[in-house]
Amino acid sequence: EVQLVESGGGLVQPGRSLRLSCRGSGFTFGDYAMSWFRQAPGKGLEWIGFIRKKAYAGTTEYAASIKGRLTISRDDSKSIAYLQMNSLKTEDTAVYYCTRDHCSGGPCPEYWGQGTLVTVSS
Amino acid sequence: QAVVTQEPSLTVSPGGTVTLTCASSTGTVTSGHYPYWFQQKPGQAPRTLIYDTSNRLSWTPARFSGSLLGGKAALTLSGAQPEDEAEYYCLLAYSGGHVFGGGTKLTVL
Repeated sequence: EVQLVESGGGLVQPGRSLRLSCRGSGFTFGDYAMSWFRQAPGKGLEWIGFIRKKAYAGTTEYAASIKGRLTISRDDSKSIAYLQMNSLKTEDTAVYYCTRDHCSGGPCPEYWGQGTLVTVSS
Repeated sequence: QAVVTQEPSLTVSPGGTVTLTCASSTGTVTSGHYPYWFQQKPGQAPRTLIYDTSNRLSWTPARFSGSLLGGKAALTLSGAQPEDEAEYYCLLAYSGGHVFGGGTKLTVL
């Protein structure tokens, strides 16, 4: 059974950094691209970015709105995808979801994790 | 950035049929936008229902179908069930990125 479990969320002050993790199980992690999305409280979904599998050089693509503050990486030996978030703003408060993608050119979300809540507040 | 528009809310009777649409501010939605449809119930993560306009995932009930209709992406639910009450989001691909619609709250009543 494919499972994705996000972790690392919590309360963080504006301007600080946070790293989220997405651990996959039930599949060969390195064979899939992975994406990150977020959803602010009571709002709609927003695409953040994705990372291709190593066979496609593990390159990344990001939404223009992210403006370089968020970085996606992966450690296939641990079956984990990461979302590094720097210079956090109150508007980054959201539930963050990772997905396993079914294509290489992403985002093409197939399976979703349960999400992890990040609250940016002083 | 393009704006993707969905109906804010729709109501369907149990057993009835309803079509949700997804429009692009840039013009006609085509297969090149690779439309996706997601279902989200309160307190839950989204679930992917349809990809690349009309392809179902293995868990997608056959009563859901995706298409292009009148210049928009469309999700048709035929034979609505009470458990289909949820928020539905579409996602379109553009050269500059991927954009979600604002969601449609579907009530089965």
